[in-house]
Amino acid sequence: DAKTTQPTSMDCAEGRAANLPCNHSTISGNEYVYWYRQIHSQGPQYIIHGLKNNETNEMASLIITEDRKSSTLILPHATLRDTAVYYCIVTTDKLIFGTGTRLQVFP
Amino acid sequence: EPEVTQTPSHQVTQMGQEVILRCVPISNHLYFYWYRQILGQKVEFLVSFYNNEISEKSEIFDDQFSVERPDGSNFTLKIRSTKLEDSAMYFCASSVVRGRGEAFFGQGTRLTVV
Repeated sequence: DAKTTQPTSMDCAEGRAANLPCNHSTISGNEYVYWYRQIHSQGPQYIIHGLKNNETNEMASLIITEDRKSSTLILPHATLRDTAVYYCIVTTDKLIFGTGTRLQVFP
Repeated sequence: EPEVTQTPSHQVTQMGQEVILRCVPISNHLYFYWYRQILGQKVEFLVSFYNNEISEKSEIFDDQFSVERPDGSNFTLKIRSTKLEDSAMYFCASSVVRGRGEAFFGQGTRLTVV
């Protein structure tokens, strides 16, 4: 059973913020929300993770709703190099990848 | 920046042959993983390894597969008798903790079985 639901694809103009949503309505209290991305066929790359609070690092921001049933990954100024498949994963254990969101950043 | 390294980057093998895929995890990491990705499909979990033993494996990880940490730095995946359907990208990953922190992935080995 899928633990997360993400749109299949999204577009974003270069320089604009990319907001990638994720639904995880069955998340349990101790599960973390992780975001990874995969550029072409490279190895998945960690972006950010959080439990309850919003988080920010040099790559992105993660906004988690108060009920924790959904989250949004924000890339504040998308570049062409951010074109990738983005995976939202909820887990306390190993990473299980779904089909993710294919983000296309265009000039 | 620390990284997980995998060798070779591409391996071609004949069906029925044994292959060993090699990985050097990040030095202070304790948990190690193998994943695979068949072309155009999802990244699939194969196995996790901790304290010199398998901690979990998926249904894909049958008797044809084995993992080993032979010398304290390398982490290997062996496929005993390769099949055409084993053709895929194989990714190694490592982490300090399991389930509560960042996992670092290598760039993968593309295995082609002919």
